[in-house]
Amino acid sequence: GAGVSQSPRYKVAKRGQDVALRCDPISGHVSLFWYQQALGQGPEFLTYFQNEAQLDKSGLPSDRFFAERPEGSVSTLKIQRTQQEDSAVYLCASSSSGTGTYEQYFGPGTRLTVT
Amino acid sequence: QKEVEQDPGPLSVPEGAIVSLNCTYSNSAFQYFMWYRQYSRKGPELLMYTYSSGNKEDGRFTAQVDKSSKYISLFIRDSQPSDSATYLCAMGHMEYGNKLVFGAGTILRVKS
Repeated sequence: GAGVSQSPRYKVAKRGQDVALRCDPISGHVSLFWYQQALGQGPEFLTYFQNEAQLDKSGLPSDRFFAERPEGSVSTLKIQRTQQEDSAVYLCASSSSGTGTYEQYFGPGTRLTVT
Repeated sequence: QKEVEQDPGPLSVPEGAIVSLNCTYSNSAFQYFMWYRQYSRKGPELLMYTYSSGNKEDGRFTAQVDKSSKYISLFIRDSQPSDSATYLCAMGHMEYGNKLVFGAGTILRVKS
């Protein structure tokens, strides 16, 4: 079946612009995660949804970052007033179970470059 | 100090070699251990998933967890050029909810 999809794949933003990144999880997957991956580093957790509920947003680096999943399927990560340090790959992952499972399946990521 | 440490490499081996990739961690609460493979400009792909200590084998891949030493390994037998990628270890535990903590990744190059 179809995997996790993300759009756009590449995004260039000027400093100060707002951006919105979209994630379509695997159909029926309850859990959805956002991670940020800097060049040469492993992914770092940003936030977690179980259905439409955002249960953990401890990894969001500032209040400029906002995520939503209003109907429990598609999710959007929004970054306001982008800064150069926001340049990274933003990965979305989904999982079939709401609790106790760590088998997360990742999308291809959105590469954000802030100039 | 990071919770999960992983040698970034690059690790370069000839085709057919046995590859050993490793991670160490500091938090003894970690219970779930995973290995992901990431090709350039792609998302991580789940290779192996292990709960607690022990070994797990899947084809050419073997994952080992030694909780007493806080050390996990991934072995790749009969390595192929198509195995050239970055290998990421990841871990989780109940106190962290469902989030994963990743190592920085090891770059592997298999030469034909």
